[in-house]
Amino acid sequence: EVQLVESGGGLVQPGGSRRLSCAASGFTFSSYWIHWVRQAPGKGLVWVSRINTDGSSTKYADSVKGRFTISRDNAKSTAYLQMNSLRVEDTAVYYCVRDWEWPDHWGQGTLVTVSS
Amino acid sequence: EIVLTQSPGTLSLSPGERATLSCRASQSFRSNYLIWYQQKPGQAPRLLIYGASSRATGIPDRFSGSGSGTDFTLTISRLEPEDFAVYYCQQYDSSPWTFGQGTKVEI
Repeated sequence: EVQLVESGGGLVQPGGSRRLSCAASGFTFSSYWIHWVRQAPGKGLVWVSRINTDGSSTKYADSVKGRFTISRDNAKSTAYLQMNSLRVEDTAVYYCVRDWEWPDHWGQGTLVTVSS
Repeated sequence: EIVLTQSPGTLSLSPGERATLSCRASQSFRSNYLIWYQQKPGQAPRLLIYGASSRATGIPDRFSGSGSGTDFTLTISRLEPEDFAVYYCQQYDSSPWTFGQGTKVEI
């Protein structure tokens, strides 16, 4: 069974940092691009970042560029999102998404709350 | 980036009725790289349709997708009680991925 399990969410103060993890199982992790998508409470879905299969290419939304870093460890079947200089407006559920020909599987999400 | 506009914002219907949801893109896609998701409260989005018209594994045939270019439609032929949810369209034709703002299908 394909599974993506996010972890690392929680309460963080403005200006703080947090690292999210996305642990994959049930498929060949190294064959898939991975994206992060977030959803603020009561709002819609917003793409955040993506990484290619070997980690050599990454891309970010303008709203997080320079503050967030996406990475992956294929040996551990895990993707990461390092979030620095967090702002109140970064409060959201963060989902990791598997992508090959199309995005076909989402994790259950992890909530990051940025508040003082 | 490609902007997706969904209409209506809310659709009030009864079980057994037909639902027609629209997703309009600000520019034409090279290919029909459009997806429809269903999302219920507290849950991750669930893939319904990819490639504008292909049903994902395990999705009932009452869900169908159509359209091309800039205009796409999700049709639910006969609403079941479990279909009342929020539906999003998403384009994966170009980076960055973009999503519509959602259509809520309510009783």
